[in-house]
Amino acid sequence: KNEVEQSPQNLTAQEGEFITINCSYSVGISALHWLQQHPGGGIVSLFMLSSGKKKHGRLIATINIQEKHSSLHITASHPRDSAVYICAAGADGLTFGKGTHLIIQP
Amino acid sequence: NAGVMQNPRHLVRRRGQEARLRCSPMKGHSHVYWYRQLPEEGLKFMVYLQKENIIDESGMPKERFSAEFPKEGPSILRIQQVVRGDSAAYFCASSLSGPGSGANVLTFGAGSRLTVL
Repeated sequence: KNEVEQSPQNLTAQEGEFITINCSYSVGISALHWLQQHPGGGIVSLFMLSSGKKKHGRLIATINIQEKHSSLHITASHPRDSAVYICAAGADGLTFGKGTHLIIQP
Repeated sequence: NAGVMQNPRHLVRRRGQEARLRCSPMKGHSHVYWYRQLPEEGLKFMVYLQKENIIDESGMPKERFSAEFPKEGPSILRIQQVVRGDSAAYFCASSLSGPGSGANVLTFGAGSRLTVL
């Protein structure tokens, strides 16, 4: 069993829909990271959180330390949000989920 | 502020040659991390370095791979006697402070894509 599990693996939605990507982890963490990888391969760090909730524009990330679970939400989704979203958890060395391939159709 | 700079962006090597990948962290960042992404697979942690020190190399293969982050200059990931299975994208990230600080937001480089013929 992977130490960081993401769901769904693939998600296709219509523009404007509310998107939720889930991440469960079993490793000990000092922080959990949400990353976005574009089709060209570049990686952008979206959030780093160790408790509670963070919001940046249309993106919201939450974490429940007791349940070892985090969610990434995208409100009013747009085709430019199409990317792979990766959850990573750990301390010195992060363990990565396999990613969620998100496609937002116009 | 140029961000995290990795070079070369693409590197082709024949089996048995050496590959050297460089990573210049963001200005002011002294923590560097290397990750590998094999084709069709997820990212895997390789090594975490702070200036002149290897902090955690638990993800590094035991043989042929080494990393350094000297006092001056970029961090270097070195792969000796490359094999086809080393073909992957190698990403570097840097942070201002270390894990556990609550402030180690990672900034990633664009990656170096190694192809071994």
